[in-house]
Amino acid sequence: EAQVTQNPRYLITVTGKKLTVTCSQNMNHEYMSWYRQDPGLGLRQIYYSMNVEVTDKGDVPEGYKVSRKEKRNFPLILESPSPNQTSLYFCASSFRTGYGYTFGSGTRLTVV
Amino acid sequence: SQQGEEDPQALSIQEGENATMNCSYKTSINNLQWYRQNSGRGLVHLILIRSNEREKHSGRLRVTLDTSKKSSSLLITASRAADTASYFCATDASGSRLTFGEGTQLTVNP
Repeated sequence: EAQVTQNPRYLITVTGKKLTVTCSQNMNHEYMSWYRQDPGLGLRQIYYSMNVEVTDKGDVPEGYKVSRKEKRNFPLILESPSPNQTSLYFCASSFRTGYGYTFGSGTRLTVV
Repeated sequence: SQQGEEDPQALSIQEGENATMNCSYKTSINNLQWYRQNSGRGLVHLILIRSNEREKHSGRLRVTLDTSKKSSSLLITASRAADTASYFCATDASGSRLTFGEGTQLTVNP
């Protein structure tokens, strides 16, 4: 089944403890992206990647890192999480820019 | 920054009725897309309309695009309870990202 897989689905962590949210797609898509969704603020892009080893900042990149060493994987790294990063995170992929996105099921992160 | 703005914010209808949602945006776009999200779940792509297209159909969905007015509408015909969800428009202006509106919450009552 064509899909974007995110893990974990739920995560509660403490301030400052580094964490990684994984994202993998099995559709050989070139484009991948991370979004966060917050009430009243909608979906905001964190980082995106046009292809392997090509990443760039979105609208809200502060406090996040990404890497794209393989086409299928696009992990999101929070080096020192803070409470304002509590959010619902989505990974998405697309055949290439200009096409529809396939979204993962989301990761609900709580930082205490 | 939020490019798309949906209207209304919330819509409640009876099963079998049609639902119309509107989206306005501010800058020139390459394409506009509509997504559905069931509560807290991932977004599902519904339909994409390119800037040189005016209307597109997919099953019970009909999307229109008016680039002169920078607006789009999504029509769901013969709605079902299973259509209850949030609907988002998203604009592709740069080729590097989609910018989402805040969505319309549609409730279809049985």
